Amino acid sequence: GQQVMQIPQYQHVQEGEDFTTYCNSSTTLSNIQWYKQRPGGHPVFLIQLVKSGEVKKQKRLTFQFGEAKKNSSLHITATQTTDVGTYFCRSGGTSYGKLTFGQGTILTVHP
Amino acid sequence: DSGVTQTPKHLITATGQRVTLRCSPRSGDLSVYWYQQSLDQGLQFLIQYYNGEERAKGNILERFSAQQFPDLHSELNLSSLELGDSALYFCASSVGGGAYEQYFGPGTRLTVT
Repeated sequence: GQQVMQIPQYQHVQEGEDFTTYCNSSTTLSNIQWYKQRPGGHPVFLIQLVKSGEVKKQKRLTFQFGEAKKNSSLHITATQTTDVGTYFCRSGGTSYGKLTFGQGTILTVHP
Repeated sequence: DSGVTQTPKHLITATGQRVTLRCSPRSGDLSVYWYQQSLDQGLQFLIQYYNGEERAKGNILERFSAQQFPDLHSELNLSSLELGDSALYFCASSVGGGAYEQYFGPGTRLTVT
């Protein structure tokens, strides 16, 4: 499967600060997906990136796929307390296999 | 609401016992995935089924087994339970394979005492 490493594992920010989590792979990825899991909840699909260099925005969230399709990032501008949770990236593939999630970044936002 | 249902929500059982977790995928989804999530841990992929057939295996113990039925619901069977099996078990479904987004159920919290 296409293994992905996600950093940082934990991130504490003050409300209003920006936040970024990174997802890295040693191999070229077919696509990358991002999920958010609120405390006590289940992972929820946020977005999928497919093209090299792709950038997508959802309100305060900006998702990027690297030119080499080996890394991706999720950036949150001006965090809010509603942003708390764990953010996971997932390496998707065009075929079946050991589809993997990154270890996740746990975001804490202090009011 | 993701459209994926899991039962039961909570399960408390003793070591050595066997339990069955059930998952119904979203309408129209053919793939079902099972994940294990321990406290403050990531999502450990266990197994995937597509239209009734096993398609991928992850870190699934031999004491665990799963199947997907003709109506596409899936069951995860955990036997000879150990304390370390206590975790949140998620089921997810998708239209197809890895290229598609996954929709997660609310999970089953298993506590082994």
